[in-house]
Amino acid sequence: GNSVTQMEGPVTLSEEAFLTINCTYTATGYPSLFWYVQYPGEGLQLLLKATKADDKGSNKGFEATYRKETTSFHLEKGSVQVSDSAVYFCALSDPNRDDKIIFGKGTRLHILP
Amino acid sequence: DVKVTQSSRYLVKRTGEKVFLECVQDMDHENMFWYRQDPGLGLRLIYFSYDVKMKEKGDIPEGYSVSREKKERFSLILESASTNQTSMYLCASPKRVELAGPSDTQYFGPGTRLTVL
Repeated sequence: GNSVTQMEGPVTLSEEAFLTINCTYTATGYPSLFWYVQYPGEGLQLLLKATKADDKGSNKGFEATYRKETTSFHLEKGSVQVSDSAVYFCALSDPNRDDKIIFGKGTRLHILP
Repeated sequence: DVKVTQSSRYLVKRTGEKVFLECVQDMDHENMFWYRQDPGLGLRLIYFSYDVKMKEKGDIPEGYSVSREKKERFSLILESASTNQTSMYLCASPKRVELAGPSDTQYFGPGTRLTVL
């Protein structure tokens, strides 16, 4: 069945470091891909998305490119800030049921000042 | 702005109690979802609804039921709460840009942290 696998956390980086959080997926058809972020004490919110192969989603300095050949959607940021500390979830839409979204297990990110 | 609200941020109940978690969206969306979030397990879908009075089981429906009497409100019910239902519960409602288009953003409520003693 459809699934999302993302790197386990926690990930701890110093401020201004380069960030990569890996995400790979398994799906039939052509899913849309998402990154959601959950800041401490808050609900999930969409960070970025890509709806077709080779699309790049970007927001708040974060980027991810939909790579169909490697079934990946890795999240990157060139220079992280303390305020980026949060839990990040990779997700895909269920091609067989458009609104049903399948989430990865989440990666907790700690940024040290 | 899109808004999904949940009735409680924190809830403490005893084993065996009947628990109602309420979710309201103001977007006039047909679809609504209930997830639970547990450390190391991510988000798991409990139930979802595509229209009033319609419901479908998600991946982990055991021990839960739902009610959708009005379009804007989707309730999650724990008929007899148990300690393994201690969790964060998240309600979501998707925004669809095109009627027949691909999946779009899910808007989440702030969550209800339920503790069952």
